[in-house]
Amino acid sequence: DTAVSQTPKYLVTQMGNDKSIKCEQNLGHDTMYWYKQDSKKFLKIMFSYNNKELIINETVPNRFSPKSPDKAHLNLHINSLELGDSAVYFCASSHTGVRNEQFFGPGTRLTVL
Amino acid sequence: AQTVTQSQPEMSVQEAETVTLSCTYDTSESDYYLFWYKQPPSRQMILVIRQEAYKQQNATENRFSVNFQKAAKSFSLKISDSQLGDAAMYFCAYKLGSGGSNYKLTFGKGTLLTVNP
Repeated sequence: DTAVSQTPKYLVTQMGNDKSIKCEQNLGHDTMYWYKQDSKKFLKIMFSYNNKELIINETVPNRFSPKSPDKAHLNLHINSLELGDSAVYFCASSHTGVRNEQFFGPGTRLTVL
Repeated sequence: AQTVTQSQPEMSVQEAETVTLSCTYDTSESDYYLFWYKQPPSRQMILVIRQEAYKQQNATENRFSVNFQKAAKSFSLKISDSQLGDAAMYFCAYKLGSGGSNYKLTFGKGTLLTVNP
């Protein structure tokens, strides 16, 4: 009965590789988000999708490309991985509307060697 | 741009005692929401409490309560009767309450709370 799930939970890869992180929610929400938590634990929004449309893109490098095949899924593809991409990536979801709580996934720890 | 500041990188409390975590924010908006999230070592982000800026009454959730001072732009979290399970990183967060579909959360840098037995 997991609400927001992410795969994989851990990802270790070499610099220059391309990788994807998948997110799925079974809460019936129509808005999904990607947040990045850096090594100092600072959390920052990267992207937000509402009904499969991109609505927030917070000056993230072009190497990051989110894709939302349907309202229940939001994937994050990263090209040409760099050392600085090492972080924990959180997916979240909510109903549309400012009053609604965002539910977070368990996070994916990405380590770039 | 909105900013959220948590001035206490670390705090500690004795089990069963009370602790207050500080948060200030900067915004020119009048309609917004404030949150406290807890992140235990498991990494999961858990919503502890929320406050609507238009509500004067401070939010409470069991042992957790806030002191919301809108004019001072201050939003502190009080944890009463602290338990070992309260040990975690606590994040203060802000969300704009209007203006299209920008529902992003802006987080502070967090306060690491240790609970001593």
